Amino acid sequence: DVKVTQSSRYLVKRTGEKVFLECVQDMDHENMFWYRQDPGLGLRLIYFSYDVKMKEKGDIPEGYSVSREKKERFSLILESASTNQTSMYLCASSFEVPGANVLTFGAGSRLTVL
Amino acid sequence: RKEVEQDPGPFNVPEGATVAFNCTYSNSASQSFFWYRQDCRKEPKLLMSVYSSGNEDGRFTAQLNRASQYISLLIRDSKLSDSATYLCVVKSGSASKIIFGSGTRLSIRP
Repeated sequence: DVKVTQSSRYLVKRTGEKVFLECVQDMDHENMFWYRQDPGLGLRLIYFSYDVKMKEKGDIPEGYSVSREKKERFSLILESASTNQTSMYLCASSFEVPGANVLTFGAGSRLTVL
Repeated sequence: RKEVEQDPGPFNVPEGATVAFNCTYSNSASQSFFWYRQDCRKEPKLLMSVYSSGNEDGRFTAQLNRASQYISLLIRDSKLSDSATYLCVVKSGSASKIIFGSGTRLSIRP
């Protein structure tokens, strides 16, 4: 079974703190994604990576950055957390298969910024 | 207009009932279509892909109507364990163009 592991299930941070969310997948997938999920808004793509050191902005990249130094690991960084970044963060990965790209998600990281 | 739209529900139906959800998408160049299921406080998981000719997996049937740009999910003989949020997912172009609907919440009552 493909496994996507997110390092923290629940985090509480203060405004202005730097936050790291880690994601590791064990199936050699090329693609990795960071989404946030908010009630009524669904899942929104923050950043996407299709290879090591390659990244592409999603729909809502402002206030976030990412790092992919190794194929299996994709990190989301909040340089200076703000209260409007309180959300559920979901990491996902997939193979690059034309017409497919089934996503496998991690269990999610629920971030609260006070 | 959202790229992928779903009725948020909630749909509250008795066990054993048949229930259907629709999802509309705005990009006519969309290529791939999926239904994901998300349980409360859990991550989304793939329920089934949706093929042009329609496809069935046990009690679940998915249909695609390209002309009208909608996909549907039919659940027959619903079980208590079917209670979840169902997410419509549409892919257009590159892997980053995977758009999620906001989800339809389904609650099955005994």
